[in-house]
Amino acid sequence: DIQMTQSPSSLSASVGDRVTITCRASQGIANYLSWFQQKPGKAPKALIYGASSLQSGVPSKFSGSGSGTDFTLTISGLQPEDFAIYYCLQYDSYPRTFGQGTKVEIK
Amino acid sequence: EVQLVESGGGLVQPGGSLRLSCAASGFSFSDSWMDWVRRAPGKGLEWVANINPDGSEKYYVDSVKGRFTISRDNAKNSLYLQVNSLRAEDTAVYFCSRSLNFWGQGTLVTVSS
Repeated sequence: DIQMTQSPSSLSASVGDRVTITCRASQGIANYLSWFQQKPGKAPKALIYGASSLQSGVPSKFSGSGSGTDFTLTISGLQPEDFAIYYCLQYDSYPRTFGQGTKVEIK
Repeated sequence: EVQLVESGGGLVQPGGSLRLSCAASGFSFSDSWMDWVRRAPGKGLEWVANINPDGSEKYYVDSVKGRFTISRDNAKNSLYLQVNSLRAEDTAVYFCSRSLNFWGQGTLVTVSS
């Protein structure tokens, strides 16, 4: 199975900050990577697919990059509604595997 | 509007069974891959299984192989997950998803004696 390792596992940031979350795959996955946001008690929301393509309706303050084994999610101009847990997911092979999540908290 | 509504969760004893359902609307269900994903209390997301549009291909995470079965009824726009031989570690909110880009609100399965 492909292991997905996210870092950091949590971070504290202020409104207006730019934050970056990284995700590393245990083997190359081309660009078969998605990013999700989950708030407490809510369904996950897809943000990015294909490593860098924005899902419909997702604001452009979210951006993704990377290919192969190393990927990043950047959130620009952090707003109160962005405080949540973020997950990466590889869909290059089965079983699909998620990173362990990054909790973005208010400083 | 795309909608996915899960049902069928509940409290079940270890070794028990449940059938989870997901009612889909607002998109072409019969053309869509569908997934089940779960989140155990205090843990992250775990992909469980998926199924192709005509139901001929099914994939599972190793921890549920032989115990869980994913299926679909395209005439009813419905996705199912039959969960058998349940263990405490299967306790989680189970989400259905259209190709992992749209998700339902989830149904809670609690395995406890």
